[in-house]
Amino acid sequence: DAGITQSPRYKITETGRQVTLMCHQTWSHSYMFWYRQDLGHGLRLIYYSAAADITDKGEVPDGYVVSRSKTENFPLTLESATRSQTSVYFCASTWAREAPLHFGNGTRLTVT
Amino acid sequence: DAKTTQPPSMDCAEGRAANLPCNHSTISGNEYVYWYRQIHSQGPQYIIHGLKNNETNEMASLIITEDRKSSTLILPHATLRDTAVYYCIVGSGNTGKLIFGQGTTLQVKP
Repeated sequence: DAGITQSPRYKITETGRQVTLMCHQTWSHSYMFWYRQDLGHGLRLIYYSAAADITDKGEVPDGYVVSRSKTENFPLTLESATRSQTSVYFCASTWAREAPLHFGNGTRLTVT
Repeated sequence: DAKTTQPPSMDCAEGRAANLPCNHSTISGNEYVYWYRQIHSQGPQYIIHGLKNNETNEMASLIITEDRKSSTLILPHATLRDTAVYYCIVGSGNTGKLIFGQGTTLQVKP
């Protein structure tokens, strides 16, 4: 089915481990985004990408790495997970700069 | 990117119109106003957006003041399923990135 999918839906990891959250969209949208959502902070932009091989930092990029080798995929990697990165992570995509975002269903990450 | 200010919470009676205000006094000429909502822990859902003119779709209407410093989202006949957090966002047409604020929690009551 067409759409934007995130995997896994739930993930528990330990402090210091590397973990990668996947985001895949089937629309060939140019723009993709990663947000995190914590209680009391709303959604905060981590990284975004305007096209394959083009990425840029958002509001809270520290501790995260992204890549965009293919248009349809935008993985988010926590190189050494910390408890403060426990959060719900949302991926989004859109076809044009001013067009609405389409969000995935989120990944709930717990770092113990 | 321009910031937005929204009331933290609002109530609305079922069947009545819900009018959600948003201030964006520092908006620049090429920035759109977007509205999204988030129900429980689902991904945010797009509602409507506009640049200068008022807009209407099957979900809602967006009224933007002439000076573009504020806007109002109108849900014409609110239902219990419209209970959600509503985000007003001003987006940069240059980068496409949207910065979310705290939003307004709308509670629709029977």
